[in-house]
Amino acid sequence: EIVMTQSPATLSVSPGERATLSCRASQSVGNNLAWYQQKPGQAPRLLIYGASTRATGIPARFSGSGSGTEFTLTISSLQSEDFAVFFCQQYDNWPPWTFGQGTKVEIK
Amino acid sequence: EVQLVESGGGLVQPGGSLRLSCSASGFTFSTYAIHWVRQAPGKGLEYVSAISGTGGSTYYADSVKGRFTISRDNSKNTLYLQMSSLRSDDTALYYCVKDIGSYPYYMDVWGKGTTVTVSS
Repeated sequence: EIVMTQSPATLSVSPGERATLSCRASQSVGNNLAWYQQKPGQAPRLLIYGASTRATGIPARFSGSGSGTEFTLTISSLQSEDFAVFFCQQYDNWPPWTFGQGTKVEIK
Repeated sequence: EVQLVESGGGLVQPGGSLRLSCSASGFTFSTYAIHWVRQAPGKGLEYVSAISGTGGSTYYADSVKGRFTISRDNSKNTLYLQMSSLRSDDTALYYCVKDIGSYPYYMDVWGKGTTVTVSS
């Protein structure tokens, strides 16, 4: 089973600032990596797939990068609606599809 | 608009059974794989099970293998998860999640979930 590890657990950022979230896989997943955003009381929403492709309707301030075992989600200028928990997920070697434990982006 | 609506959750005693349903609309249900993913209170996301569009291929997490059964009725646009021998660590919000293709790959659209509580 591929273990996904996200860091940091919590990121405190001021509105308008850049946020950088990391995700590491225990073995290479190529570019088979997705990012999801989950706001309180809501279901997750797909942000990024293929490590760097934005899903339909996702603003350009969200960008993904990386391949193999190291991945990054960057939010270039945080808006109030962006504060949430973000999960990475690998879909290269399944089952199981595995998720990181999440990074909470909170208002500083 | 793609919609997934889960139902069937509730309170069940340890060792009991429950069947979850997921009603789909807004897309050609039979041509997409569907997953169940759960989230324990205050915790992260855990894959539970997946099924191909035809229903011919099914996949399970080790933690539920032999206890849970995933199935689908494409004539009713409905996905099911039959859960038996339930344990306290099965307590979670269960999401129905659409895949991007007919065989499982990655997930795009999530339902709002249905809550399962296993407790005496």
